[in-house]
Amino acid sequence: DIQMTQSPSTLSASVGDTVTITCRASQSISRWLAWYQQKPGKAPKLLIYKASSLESGVPSRFSGSGSGTEFTLTISGLQPDDFATYYCQQYNGHSKTFGQGTKVEIK
Amino acid sequence: QVQLQESGPGLVKPSGTLSLTCAVSGGSISSSSWWSWFRQPPGKGLEWLGEINHSGSTNYNPSLRGRVTISVDNSQSQISLKLSSVTAADTAVYYCAREDILPTGGTSAFDVWGQGTMVTVSS
Repeated sequence: DIQMTQSPSTLSASVGDTVTITCRASQSISRWLAWYQQKPGKAPKLLIYKASSLESGVPSRFSGSGSGTEFTLTISGLQPDDFATYYCQQYNGHSKTFGQGTKVEIK
Repeated sequence: QVQLQESGPGLVKPSGTLSLTCAVSGGSISSSSWWSWFRQPPGKGLEWLGEINHSGSTNYNPSLRGRVTISVDNSQSQISLKLSSVTAADTAVYYCAREDILPTGGTSAFDVWGQGTMVTVSS
């Protein structure tokens, strides 16, 4: 089973800041990595797939990078709507696992 | 556009079987997609339970030790989840989601989600 380690678990930031979340896989997953945003009481929303492809309709301030075992999600110019929990997910083959999540809080 | 809607009992007794349905609308369930179930215990992270395609091929999370069964009803455009021998640890919000196949190979991850349905395991 592929384990996903996400850091930090909590991040305090201000509107306008650039923030970076890291996700590490326990073995290579090529570029089969997605990032989701989740708000309380809502389903996850896909932001990035295949490590760096921006989902349609997602603002360009969200970007993803990485391959193999190391990946990052960057939010450039944090907006009030961006305060939420973010999850990485590997989908390499017929098994999917998530990171434990990063809560982005208002500083 | 494709929409998903989960439904089923909100309360299940311990040792019983949890049964949920995911209705697919606005698109064909028989397209080149996989359909998955996830869950999220209160205040915790997301867990993938398993997946199915329109022809009935399935893959499951090994950690569920054979308790999970996913099926498809193409005529009703529905995906079903059964989880047997439930305990309080199975209390969670359950989601269904679509994994769309890319024309270039691979998938675009889970781009469409249902709103989720809360299931509590309690006597």
